[in-house]
Amino acid sequence: GDSVTQMQGQVTLSEDDFLFINCTYSTTWYPTLFWYVQYPGEGPQLLLKVTTANNKGISRGFEATYDKGTTSFHLQKASVQESDSAVYYCALNVGDNSKLIWGLGTSLVVNP
Amino acid sequence: DMKVTQMPRYLIKRMGENVLLECGQDMSHETMYWYRQDPGLGLQLIYISYDVDSNSEGDIPKGYRVSRKKREHFSLILDSAKTNQTSVYFCASRSGNTLYFGEGSRLIVV
Repeated sequence: GDSVTQMQGQVTLSEDDFLFINCTYSTTWYPTLFWYVQYPGEGPQLLLKVTTANNKGISRGFEATYDKGTTSFHLQKASVQESDSAVYYCALNVGDNSKLIWGLGTSLVVNP
Repeated sequence: DMKVTQMPRYLIKRMGENVLLECGQDMSHETMYWYRQDPGLGLQLIYISYDVDSNSEGDIPKGYRVSRKKREHFSLILDSAKTNQTSVYFCASRSGNTLYFGEGSRLIVV
């Protein structure tokens, strides 16, 4: 079945460090891939999404590229800030299915 | 601005009591969801609703039921709450393939 894997449970960085959060997926369909961000005390919100048509998503300094060869959708940011501290979820949607397949989330802690 | 509202935000109940969590959206979205979030387990889908009185079980429906009598409102009901239902519950509605979440309802069952 369809699945999403986020291996990193927590990432700890200092301000201005480079961020890389790993996400791999498995599906036999053409996916739409998402990164959602959840700030403390809030619900998740869409950070960016990518389809097979547009390949790369960019939002608020974050970027993610859909790589069909490695079935990956890693999240990157060149220089993190303390305000980026949050939980980041990778998610997958295939076809017109209303269900999203979620990764377990990666908690990012950015120290000043 | 798309907004999903959850009530109550915090709730403490005794084991065996009934619990009603309510969710509203003002965007006339057809599809709505209830998730629970627990440490290390991420977001788990409890129920999905495709429109009024059109509800389907998610991945962990046991111990829960839902009600959707108006498109704008989607309720999650726990009949006889159990301690293992202590969690944070999120409601979401769908526009296109994007989900919009409420701020969550934290339930503690003692």
